[in-house]
Amino acid sequence: KAGVTQTPRYLIKTRGQQVTLSCSPISGHRSVSWYQQTPGQGLQFLFEYFSETQRNKGNFPGRFSGRQFSNSRSEMNVSTLELGDSALYLCASSLQSTNTEAFFGQGTRLTVV
Amino acid sequence: AQSVTQLDSQVPVFEEAPVELRCNYSSSVSVYLFWYVQYPNQGLQLLLKYLSGSTLVKGINGFEAEFNKSQTSFHLRKPSVHISDTAEYFCAVILMGSTGANNLFFGTGTRLTVIP
Repeated sequence: KAGVTQTPRYLIKTRGQQVTLSCSPISGHRSVSWYQQTPGQGLQFLFEYFSETQRNKGNFPGRFSGRQFSNSRSEMNVSTLELGDSALYLCASSLQSTNTEAFFGQGTRLTVV
Repeated sequence: AQSVTQLDSQVPVFEEAPVELRCNYSSSVSVYLFWYVQYPNQGLQLLLKYLSGSTLVKGINGFEAEFNKSQTSFHLRKPSVHISDTAEYFCAVILMGSTGANNLFFGTGTRLTVIP
């Protein structure tokens, strides 16, 4: 069965713009989590959605937001982009909210110029 | 608070030699433990996980790890590495019993380079 699909794979945006990233989880998976990966900070948890509800949130400013649709697809949005938002954004899906195995997509590489 | 420490940021090793990648964690509650691998320009792939039971866990690609509760460690080992094992390896934990919390806490990663 298909894995976790993230689109687009690469994005270049200008400071001050906003961006929306998409994640389609594995069929049947209801939990979607988002992570930011940067050379300086490593892998950091952004938020998790389960059945269209945000269940957990990491320590990121309010410019970072997300949502999940009834088909479990998820989007994350970053408004008023800053240079420091340049990162690889990874989405992970799992069967249930307290699941113990997450399957990751290939990520979206966001570059802010 | 919880933290995951990967003691070595880079580990070079010759092909067919054994390797150990070290991981220590600290947490006020019990945790589930994981090792993920990331190849260039890719997402993360689960190598193995410890949930309960036997402390020696076998994973994919010939890797194994041992959970040591007294030393709060979960070191990853492979008896003989291949060139294809060159990648970044991440140790991670999930807090056990945390309602609604499914987020992984990652270490900073260890870059394994296999030398021909």
